Amino acid sequence: EIVLTQSPATLSLSPGERATLSCRASQSVSSYLAWYQQKPGQPPRLLIYDASNRATGIPARFSGSGSGTDFTLTISSLEPEDFAVYYCQQRGNWPRTFGPGTKVDIK
Amino acid sequence: VQVLESGGGLVQPGGSLRLSCITSGFTFSRSAMSWVRQAPGKGLEWVSTISGNGESTYYADSMKGRFTISRDNSKNTLNLQINSLSAEDTAVYYCAKTTGSSWYEEHWGQGTLVTVSS
Repeated sequence: EIVLTQSPATLSLSPGERATLSCRASQSVSSYLAWYQQKPGQPPRLLIYDASNRATGIPARFSGSGSGTDFTLTISSLEPEDFAVYYCQQRGNWPRTFGPGTKVDIK
Repeated sequence: VQVLESGGGLVQPGGSLRLSCITSGFTFSRSAMSWVRQAPGKGLEWVSTISGNGESTYYADSMKGRFTISRDNSKNTLNLQINSLSAEDTAVYYCAKTTGSSWYEEHWGQGTLVTVSS
């Protein structure tokens, strides 16, 4: 199974700052990677699919890039509602797998 | 799109449980559906996905043999049968509708909590 590693585990930033989150796969998943946001007590929300495509209704400040084994989620300017946990997920191979998550908290 | 899970609760170790997910607002038979779980305070763990017509099913390696995903397209309902439950299965179980042809989990329910304890 493909193992996803996310870094950093925690990212402490202030509103208005830029957030850069990393996801690395143990083998190539081509561009078949998604990013999800999860807030406490809520289900996850799909942000980005196939590495760089924003899901419906996702603000333009969220962007994704990468292919193969290295991927990045960028939040250009953090809004108060963006402080949450972010997970990457691959669909390059079965079984699907999630990364362990990156928590973005307020500095 | 609405997705609503049910069937969670307290179960003794070794017991079985059947989770259900009733959906509305989309053409159920055209959408692959997934189960994803999350243990308390932990990350997301993909459990299983089933194709729209029910002919293809996929499971996490650790769940093969104990978990069975199924669907009833006449009732717009997704099911997950879990046998031989252990404490490690304690989690919120989410049902999710996937996107088009790429099958990412796009629309999620609020989840149903399964607690395995004696």
